[in-house]
Amino acid sequence: DVVMTQSPLSLPVTLGQPASISCRSSQSLVYSDGNTYLNWFHQRPGQSPRRLIYKVSNRDSGVPDRFSGSGSGNDFTLKISRVEAEDVGVYYCMQGSHLYTFGQGTKLEI
Amino acid sequence: EVQLLESGGGLVQPGGSLRLSCAASGFTFSNYAMAWVRQAPGKGLEWVSAISNNADRKYYTDAVKGRFTISRDNSKNTVYLQMSSLRADDTAVYFCAVNWNCDHWGQGTLVTVSS
Repeated sequence: DVVMTQSPLSLPVTLGQPASISCRSSQSLVYSDGNTYLNWFHQRPGQSPRRLIYKVSNRDSGVPDRFSGSGSGNDFTLKISRVEAEDVGVYYCMQGSHLYTFGQGTKLEI
Repeated sequence: EVQLLESGGGLVQPGGSLRLSCAASGFTFSNYAMAWVRQAPGKGLEWVSAISNNADRKYYTDAVKGRFTISRDNSKNTVYLQMSSLRADDTAVYFCAVNWNCDHWGQGTLVTVSS
């Protein structure tokens, strides 16, 4: 099974400052079709998760451009260029190249 | 607008069964795979199961294999999760989601396994 490891697990940030979350997989996420199925989700307290990023770096519709995803192989990063109050919550990476596995989650707090 | 409405959760005794439903609208249901993801109280997300658009492929996490069955009825725009031999560690909010990589999510339904 593919293990997804996020760091840090807790991320105190200051409004207006950048933030970065790392996600590493136990094996390469390059799928046989050449795509890398690495997604990022955001879950606000008491709400359902919302997908932000798919296939490493593609923003979902309506996702602000302050969110960006990057990486390759088994090393990925979610960056927020300037944190806003509505960004609080837990961020999860999820791989979809070898069945599906979520990371443990990173709690972003201001 | 994509809408997913889960139902069927509740309190069940260990060893019991429950069937969850997820009614979908706002997209062509028969064109998309569907997934179930759960979240134990205060814990992270755990992928549970997924089914292809025409039900020819079904996948499960090891923890539920042999106990849970995913199915769908494209005429009713609904995906199901039949859960049996339930254990205390199955207690969670169960979300349904659209597509293999969970494009959109429902609000979830709470399953509590307790005597």
